[in-house]
Parts: sequence; C-alpha cells; structure tokens
Amino acid sequence: GPKVLQIPSHQIIDMGQMVTLNCDPVSNHLYFYWYKQILGQQMEFLVNFYNGKVMEKSKLFKDQFSVERPDGSYFTLKIQPTALEDSAVYFCASSLDGGQDTQYFGPGTRLLVL
Amino acid sequence: GDSVTQTEGLVTLTEGLPVMLNCTYQTIYSNPFLFWYVQHLNESPRLLLKSFTDNKRTEHQGFHATLHKSSSSFHLQKSSAQLSDSALYYCALRGSTGGNNKLTFGQGTVLSVIP
Repeated sequence: GPKVLQIPSHQIIDMGQMVTLNCDPVSNHLYFYWYKQILGQQMEFLVNFYNGKVMEKSKLFKDQFSVERPDGSYFTLKIQPTALEDSAVYFCASSLDGGQDTQYFGPGTRLLVL
Repeated sequence: GDSVTQTEGLVTLTEGLPVMLNCTYQTIYSNPFLFWYVQHLNESPRLLLKSFTDNKRTEHQGFHATLHKSSSSFHLQKSSAQLSDSALYYCALRGSTGGNNKLTFGQGTVLSVIP
C-alpha cells in the first residue's frame, strides 16, 4: 500500500538545540499531519497542514514548533529550541483529501532530548 | 473534547481463540468516524477498519467491528486468533465532518497470540 517515510528514525539532541523531523508523504496526497506519542501514552494530534497552511493545531503544538512543506519536498516539523518534554515518538501522516479519506502513517521518529 | 478508551493494555490469547478488543468513545458530534489501526513491531500504524454507519458490520482481513452509537462503542473482533495477529491495536475517532481531520486515539491494546 501507500507508504509514508520518516527521516531520521531516531534522533538524540541536547536541550535547547534545534531539530527538524522530515516526512516524505504519499506522492499525490494533499493533507499532512503530525502526531506525538510520549512513551506509554496514546498518540496525540499536533497539527494538520494543507495548501501551505496550518489548518488546525492542538495545545501541544507550542510556539517553538513549526511546520512547512517547501515546493512539494519533505513535510517538516521543526522544534526550536527543544525541551526535555519534547522527547517522544513523532508520527507523520498524509491523506488524499480531508474528508473520509484514510490517513497513512509513517513509522515514526524517536526523539530523545537530553 | 473527543476521547477514546481502550480498557485493555495487554490481551494474551492462545492461537485459535476468538479476539475481542474493546473501544468506547465520547464525542459531541452525531456522525463520528471510527477507525482501527494495527501496528506491527517496527512498522507504521496501518488502517485495519473504518466505519461511520451505525449498526453496520465492517470487515477486513478476518477482523470485524460494528459501530454502535447507542453505546458509543466500536469493538474489534475476530473469530480465531493467529500468531501473525500479534501487534499493537489502536482505536481512533474523527469527530467532526468539517475541515477538522484530526484523529483522537485510544491508548492502544497490545495483542499477544501464543501457540
């Protein structure tokens, strides 16, 4: 089936540094999402993105977070600066449309902030 | 806000026995979409089933679930567990029918099928 790729699979970073998580969505998809999963807890919605704009974001999407997809390349989540509580697995997803369509997930990036 | 509850963190079954994973939800929206995703070790979560029709059974790959709005439930079932069914199962909800496409996930249930 359609695949979403995420790079890197793991990232260890010192608190205060910047990190960029990359997502290669399904090629013809138009809607993009980030979800965050802290160890032992459920996946939680961070943000969705369509047509170059953030459509909705949750309270977890702090001011230090930003997303973009320049010129159809990777859909990125940037955290600047990072904090200890940002340690989590970050899942990217994409869908063809925003209605009933299925969201396809990547395998996640495991971020550890020290 | 929306919420999804999966009461079992771990279900261990012997191969061949029936599977039932519980999922209940809360939402203010009258026409929610419910989903089951499955995640095998070191793989991405993958859609297993979805439904938005009340009291209609949805089936895929031997699994089935029926959305019951009266009880706000969407339990996942299978008649006979296989070793390859061992995985993490997430129930998820999309509450609104508008432009809000976010999924609300339950905590997940690990299904472990043993010989």
